[in-house]
Amino acid sequence: DARVTQTPRHKVTEMGQEVTMRCQPILGHNTVFWYRQTMMQGLELLAYFRNRAPLDDSGMPKDRFSAEMPDATLATLKIQPSEPRDSAVYFCASGLTQGIPSNQPQHFGDGTRLSIL
Amino acid sequence: GQQVMQIPQYQHVQEGEDFTTYCNSSTTLSNIQWYKQRPGGHPVFLIQLVKSGEVKKQKRLTFQFGEAKKNSSLHITATQTTDVGTYFCAGPRGNTGKLIFGQGTTLQVKP
Repeated sequence: DARVTQTPRHKVTEMGQEVTMRCQPILGHNTVFWYRQTMMQGLELLAYFRNRAPLDDSGMPKDRFSAEMPDATLATLKIQPSEPRDSAVYFCASGLTQGIPSNQPQHFGDGTRLSIL
Repeated sequence: GQQVMQIPQYQHVQEGEDFTTYCNSSTTLSNIQWYKQRPGGHPVFLIQLVKSGEVKKQKRLTFQFGEAKKNSSLHITATQTTDVGTYFCAGPRGNTGKLIFGQGTTLQVKP
């Protein structure tokens, strides 16, 4: 079965360090989403791309977070510098969308479990 | 701002009992999606409802979209231990392209 692949699965690092999370969307999917999940806030959309172009990153703290899609098979989410409050599970999801992306199902990866000490 | 609320937050049932979770939006939705997340897992798409009053079934799961397209429900008949997990509804935020997820209903099933 086609699946979204995220690396690393787990990351523990000290505050102040740079963290890079990677996502390989399902081949042929044109839209990639980055979500953060915490107990307090639930699932929050951080940013999303379509055809590699960023469409919305309003959910992302701009001062420390950045999201890019260097090519169609790779999306990255970086945090620099990381802080303890960034500890969460970060999910990447992909979909094949035309028109409004929220009208199509999203396929999630296994997530990166990030702990910032 | 637009909100998607789910109740209950938690539900514990005995295996074989039925289970229902309800989803309410503060605004009319063009569609609603349901996802299931197993403990330690990732959200998995279950279904999408688009039409007012729509009812769809997947084996023991029945999904409904309200007539006003502002609420939805998921009903599981005769729960099994494999149904354990958190069920999320999600609706579009206007035409922004974003999905707003409800807080989820976590289902525990006692064997």
